[in-house]
Amino acid sequence: AQKITQTQPGMFVQEKEAVTLDCTYDTSDPSYGLFWYKQPSSGEMIFLIYQGSYDQQNATEGRYSLNFQKARKSANLVISASQLGDSAMYFCAMREGPYNAGNMLTFGGGTRLMVKP
Amino acid sequence: KAGVTQTPRYLIKTRGQQVTLSCSPISGHRSVSWYQQTPGQGLQFLFEYFSETQRNKGNFPGRFSGRQFSNSRSEMNVSTLELGDSALYLCASSFSTNTEAFFGQGTRLTVV
Repeated sequence: AQKITQTQPGMFVQEKEAVTLDCTYDTSDPSYGLFWYKQPSSGEMIFLIYQGSYDQQNATEGRYSLNFQKARKSANLVISASQLGDSAMYFCAMREGPYNAGNMLTFGGGTRLMVKP
Repeated sequence: KAGVTQTPRYLIKTRGQQVTLSCSPISGHRSVSWYQQTPGQGLQFLFEYFSETQRNKGNFPGRFSGRQFSNSRSEMNVSTLELGDSALYLCASSFSTNTEAFFGQGTRLTVV
């Protein structure tokens, strides 16, 4: 089974509107972390936001927020007030295991977001 | 503070050759991970080094190897290159576990 599923291969959003990118995950480990990265056409992966499995509150970083629904195993990224520069691939990723398990990330297939002027 | 630096940015190699890619992590970061990104397989984990020791390894053949030096810089080597090894190779550095991983711009390898 896929550990990270991103069901939206591509999405359009109007500039200045909010958009939600979906991510569901599958793990039996009680300790895990969820990450979102942005990859522009240049190729570099840019860290956006992190949510730990034990975090009580949803993570927020500027215009990015993570809608963490633990029981449903979903970790959707919400981008508020979209900008043209937000056009890129977005990847959801998960790190499983306790503190000393390492930093191996499992990535979803990505969602290509296109912001329309 | 400087980010993660990967060299070279682009490489063209011939089947059967070997290649070495380099990654300099953010100063103070001890964990370095490598990923392969292809259109067909997406992003796949290769291996992670922490304080010069391989801590995790992905499901790749033995032709893929790596190492980490005492200054945390890491190298990845691919021997006997195959056409399917053409990919973007990304390196990520982390200060510790449970912290975000910062990626470099990647090395785009083309095998002809």
